[in-house]
Amino acid sequence: QVHLVESGGGVVQPGRSLRLSCAASGFTFSSNGMHWVRQAPGKGLEWVAVTSYDGSDSYYADSVKGRFTISRDNSKNTLYLQMNSLRAEDTAVYYCAKGGNWFDSWGQGTLVTVSS
Amino acid sequence: EIVMTQSPATLSVSPGERATLSCRASQSVSSNLAWYQQKPGQPPRLLIYGASTRATGIPARFSGSGSGTEFTLTINSLQSEDFAVYYCQQYNNWPPLTFGGGTKVEIK
Repeated sequence: QVHLVESGGGVVQPGRSLRLSCAASGFTFSSNGMHWVRQAPGKGLEWVAVTSYDGSDSYYADSVKGRFTISRDNSKNTLYLQMNSLRAEDTAVYYCAKGGNWFDSWGQGTLVTVSS
Repeated sequence: EIVMTQSPATLSVSPGERATLSCRASQSVSSNLAWYQQKPGQPPRLLIYGASTRATGIPARFSGSGSGTEFTLTINSLQSEDFAVYYCQQYNNWPPLTFGGGTKVEIK
């Protein structure tokens, strides 16, 4: 079955960078679009970014555009999110999710806390 | 950006009863709508896509309906494991993909 495992979260100071990873298994990773979705503590879901099956196309939420970069390594079945210039409002659990227009499988998430 | 609005914010229902959750889009999303369930400390789980198609393994007591701007998720005969937060999400016009604010279904 589909298995998605995020890693790389932690506490980081405002303005610094962090890279999240999502290891995928149980499906043909290289044939599927992949997303990052986040959830601030006690809040709802916010879509962050998507990459196409081959990484040739990517789109971002306005709130992260120019600061975050989504990428993938299909040889390693791994999705990434490079987060630069982090802000307090980026504090959230970050989920990777498999899917095209909707999210049919989710990882357990990794917590990113931006605080001085 | 399409804004999704869910109501009510909280729904109190007794086990065995029916829950009816609403989701409204700021403009038509056709039938390009999904529903998710999220329990505390867990990631969301896909319930419905295409406004009315149940995802794999989702019990028949969950049903979705609607099109355009008005959608409903109905949960018949609520079980203890159904008490959770439910989100709708549109995928008709994106980016961005957008979610509603959620409806918490709690035990009455």
